[in-house]
Amino acid sequence: QSALTQPASVSGSPGQSITISCTGTSSDIGSYNLVSWYQQPPGKAPKLMIYEVSKWPSGVSNRFSGSKSGNTASLTISGLQAEDEADYYCFSYARSTTWVFGGGTKLTVL
Amino acid sequence: EVQLLESGGGLVQPGGSLRLSCAASGLTFGSSAMNWVRQAPGKGLEWVSLISGDGGRTYYADSVKGRFTISSDNAKNTLYLQMNSLRAEDTAVYYCAKGNGRHALHIWGQGTMVTVSA
Repeated sequence: QSALTQPASVSGSPGQSITISCTGTSSDIGSYNLVSWYQQPPGKAPKLMIYEVSKWPSGVSNRFSGSKSGNTASLTISGLQAEDEADYYCFSYARSTTWVFGGGTKLTVL
Repeated sequence: EVQLLESGGGLVQPGGSLRLSCAASGLTFGSSAMNWVRQAPGKGLEWVSLISGDGGRTYYADSVKGRFTISSDNAKNTLYLQMNSLRAEDTAVYYCAKGNGRHALHIWGQGTMVTVSA
């Protein structure tokens, strides 16, 4: 149950686009289209932003989009806004009926 | 309003036990799986355990297997986590989270802090 690999930090200016990667293995991301992404502002609970690689829950802005290639999933935020500053986590189903998070990425809006 | 509210956290000595509760309101409790997720201070999220909507299947992270037990009472709309043989590394905020039926965690509580220390 090793954690998925994410960059520790990314940054961008308002209006720009950024992408956060999430690398797993053939036992998790590579085998299942069951990657989800979560936004966690400081001191708050996580919020679901994307599920099943690229689907939006009700109420989530379409500035957030997800994709997957091989063992790597990605979250792209377009039209960056100050309120997007938060920690972001990927999450995937893995074999042997377990689930695993990424290590988290801190997004800074410059 | 859809809400999950955790309780039961606190300070416990190493080797001790604690039972967390998660009360649900405004949602159909048994409609999908429920999870516990934890976050150590300054660290990332860690999936801990899952129970199916009907309560018949349970799953655990290796780090807690054999020490923690997840259960639910659908009549009371409440999820539980019995934590035994607690260790310092179990210190964390514990969140309950409801699945959306598609292996994602759709609704989250605000968390309850567990501190394991002598």
